[in-house]
Amino acid sequence: DAGVTQSPTHLIKTRGQQVTLRCSPKSGHDTVSWYQQALGQGPQFIFQYYEEEERQRGNFPDRFSGHQFPNYSSELNVNALLLGDSALYLCASSLFGNQPQHFGDGTRLSIL
Amino acid sequence: AQRVTQPEKLLSVFKGAPVELKCNYSYSGSPELFWYVQYSRQRLQLLLRHISRESIKGFTADLNKGETSFHLKKPFAQEEDSAMYYCALSGGQAGTALIFGKGTTLSVSS
Repeated sequence: DAGVTQSPTHLIKTRGQQVTLRCSPKSGHDTVSWYQQALGQGPQFIFQYYEEEERQRGNFPDRFSGHQFPNYSSELNVNALLLGDSALYLCASSLFGNQPQHFGDGTRLSIL
Repeated sequence: AQRVTQPEKLLSVFKGAPVELKCNYSYSGSPELFWYVQYSRQRLQLLLRHISRESIKGFTADLNKGETSFHLKKPFAQEEDSAMYYCALSGGQAGTALIFGKGTTLSVSS
């Protein structure tokens, strides 16, 4: 089992563009959570998906949206990119309502 | 608001010395507390959680509700313990989302 897998590994975009990040959960997990980790900071919760619905959301603007597919994989979409969106984006999977969460390697997003 | 504070950005110790990584939290109710670790070039992984009350790689952590702390301890540090350590909590308003501290880099030298 490869665990949580994320793609791409790195991404470079310019301000105003849109980006989609992808995540496949660990085998047997049905819940996906996304986190943003800025340089020198701990991960910050963006939102969580279960049964293809957003179940919980952190303090992030509507520019951040997501989706979960029937196979439990998930996408994170960010519109109208800002310089401040440059960060490592982590995906974590778990069984709904349970801990622990298992993390992927992350996607490093750089905004020019 | 729920918050996790790790007051030390960097902790440097010698091999064989005791280690204590501090974690304080603000929360009303009964949180679930975790320590996650990230070794160089590896992904973030769970080290231990307070409800399991087990020792992992010689590390232990006790939840002190009176002092709202969950400090991570190890009696004798090893060089392979060098890593970034994050304290996190979940529960209550946070639901199952994890609220992380900013992390502490532990550097163990010989």
